[in-house]
Amino acid sequence: DTGVSQDPRHKITKRGQNVTFRCDPISEHNRLYWYRQTLGQGPEFLTYFQNEAQLEKSRLLSDRFSAERPKGSFSTLEIQRTEQGDSAMYLCASSLNGGRGEKLFFGSGTQLSVL
Amino acid sequence: DQQVKQNSPSLSVQEGRISILNCDYTNSMFDYFLWYKKYPAEGPTFLISISSIKDKNEDGRFTVFLNKSAKHLSLHIVPSQPGDSAVYFCAGETSSFGNEKLTFGTGTRLTIIP
Repeated sequence: DTGVSQDPRHKITKRGQNVTFRCDPISEHNRLYWYRQTLGQGPEFLTYFQNEAQLEKSRLLSDRFSAERPKGSFSTLEIQRTEQGDSAMYLCASSLNGGRGEKLFFGSGTQLSVL
Repeated sequence: DQQVKQNSPSLSVQEGRISILNCDYTNSMFDYFLWYKKYPAEGPTFLISISSIKDKNEDGRFTVFLNKSAKHLSLHIVPSQPGDSAVYFCAGETSSFGNEKLTFGTGTRLTIIP
């Protein structure tokens, strides 16, 4: 069990650029989640996958955001045409089955700064 | 619409005493409640959870109490240790398939004073 790994740890970009983050979940975990956290707030749900199927996407997620989990393994989160309001910590988490109070294992996050 | 509220942004407790962190919620559809702890530059780590049909769950130094009629839960840490200094998040979960996500509160920063 090597834990949930996220890459990169930090990303600085200029407004209007595209960025992509990667998450490697714990290998046997079927569920993979993306959350976003801004300063002084709790993590906010973005989207989640059961294996390769994207089951839910937050209404707060604009069309500039897209996530994939090909083959049900690692996942990528892409933000197109970044805006300053996208600056946040992007957290990935995984769990075996999900729901019923099952704990999520979080990665250390990717800190995005949009200048 | 803040479905999960942690009204105390910070709390300081002396080492060895009890720490009590509070959380209120508005969504009656939550089936489970979970507490996570977060250190700087790390992701949240799971502490303890409770089903909405229970009123208490205990795990070592950590106990969570749920008062469903008041829509209130609390996390008790006894005795408090310096390593408990962190930000604590309360979260509610709805467990209908395809809708299992956590809704987090804004967190309480706990500082344990040696």
